[in-house]
Amino acid sequence: DADVTQTPRNRITKTGKRIMLECSQTKGHDRMYWYRQDPGLGLRLIYYSFDVKDINKGEISDGYSVSRQAQAKFSLSLESAIPNQTALYFCATSPGQGASGYTFGSGTRLTVV
Amino acid sequence: DQQVKQNSPSLSVQEGRISILNCDYTNSMFDYFLWYKKYPAEGPTFLISISSIKDKNEDGRFTVFLNKSAKHLSLHIVPSQPGDSAVYFCAASYYNDYKLSFGAGTTVTVRA
Repeated sequence: DADVTQTPRNRITKTGKRIMLECSQTKGHDRMYWYRQDPGLGLRLIYYSFDVKDINKGEISDGYSVSRQAQAKFSLSLESAIPNQTALYFCATSPGQGASGYTFGSGTRLTVV
Repeated sequence: DQQVKQNSPSLSVQEGRISILNCDYTNSMFDYFLWYKKYPAEGPTFLISISSIKDKNEDGRFTVFLNKSAKHLSLHIVPSQPGDSAVYFCAASYYNDYKLSFGAGTTVTVRA
């Protein structure tokens, strides 16, 4: 099994629908992150969590919310999906002591029509 | 405004030659820099990193150079191999802030 698992791998949804992307990890890391990748923009941070009781906004959090259900689970929700949220979404984890320890999931390709 | 910039979206190189990928940053607080490699349908994977107290770090065929005064780093791959064809992301962070800021990526294609 992968260290960081994202579900679903691909999703097509309609404008206005609520959708949840899920992430689970077996690394035992406290820190978890959600990024989105867009062509020409690289990866941009949406939300991050340094432990179960800690949730923080990243640079592009508008239109998104997250839930840290447990140390191993971090979900991203789009409350009312819009077409410009079409992107590749990555979940990542890291240990507390260094940025080099980022482990990414394989990504969720989301299309909003 | 992007704080980490990779101005070359793509690079094509012949197998066996050197690949040089460039990255510039604007935030002078950054003190730790990383390169990630990404294949299609996979997440990025860590490749190599460098701390601001160094100007060079080497790992096998991969070497990262840091020029703090110019706020510039580069990744050298020597020799380039077909398996190196991927998207390479430059990333940066600063002390006690474990979030990473990423560049837009450079797609490397190694030609046989």
